Amino acid sequence: EDQVTQSPEALRLQEGESSSLNCSYTVSGLRGLFWYRQDPGKGPEFLFTLYSAGEEKEKERLKATLTKKESFLHITAPKPEDSATYLCAGNAGGTSYGKLTFGQGTILTVHP
Amino acid sequence: DAGVIQSPRHEVTEMGQEVTLRCKPISGHDYLFWYRQTMMQGLELLVYFNNKAVMDDSGMPKDRFSAKMPNASFSTLKIQPSEPRDSAVYFCASSWGQASNQPQHFGDGTRLSIL
Repeated sequence: EDQVTQSPEALRLQEGESSSLNCSYTVSGLRGLFWYRQDPGKGPEFLFTLYSAGEEKEKERLKATLTKKESFLHITAPKPEDSATYLCAGNAGGTSYGKLTFGQGTILTVHP
Repeated sequence: DAGVIQSPRHEVTEMGQEVTLRCKPISGHDYLFWYRQTMMQGLELLVYFNNKAVMDDSGMPKDRFSAKMPNASFSTLKIQPSEPRDSAVYFCASSWGQASNQPQHFGDGTRLSIL
């Protein structure tokens, strides 16, 4: 069974304190690893897609990386507006296209 | 550009009542997904459509849930009869294309409370 596990469940940082979120996956024939950001009362907002081990993508203070077993979301010098829940999801592709398996998310709080 | 639009944003109803959730996907998107989010289970896929046809509804309790997509710009998720355990936030998402790497774009959800 496909499974995605995120850690930590919650992370509190001071503004400017860099850190990383982890996403471990067991998704057969992974065709894409997705990162989303979710603000309270809103739907998940797409951030990145990673396809193959070694791939990296960046957007402002965020950088996502992928290995064969896990993905990391690195946050450099975070600001309070980066506070949100970050979700990762795996897509097995093929006949299971569209069936994203989501992790439980990491709740990030950045204090000024 | 308009995103995925869901209605209503909030719904409070009594157990046993029929509930209908509505979704308008992004124009041109040919995949539509219904998810349910709870604190305990996180985001779970209930059902998804491709070009209005159900592709997979294995995550949907079929005794009380039904999903339809009568045209490319509208979908409904119906619960009848509703139960307190159905209380959750229901999200609709849409995406484009055949490739498995196309991101899904989510609406802001319907918060459903069954009393």
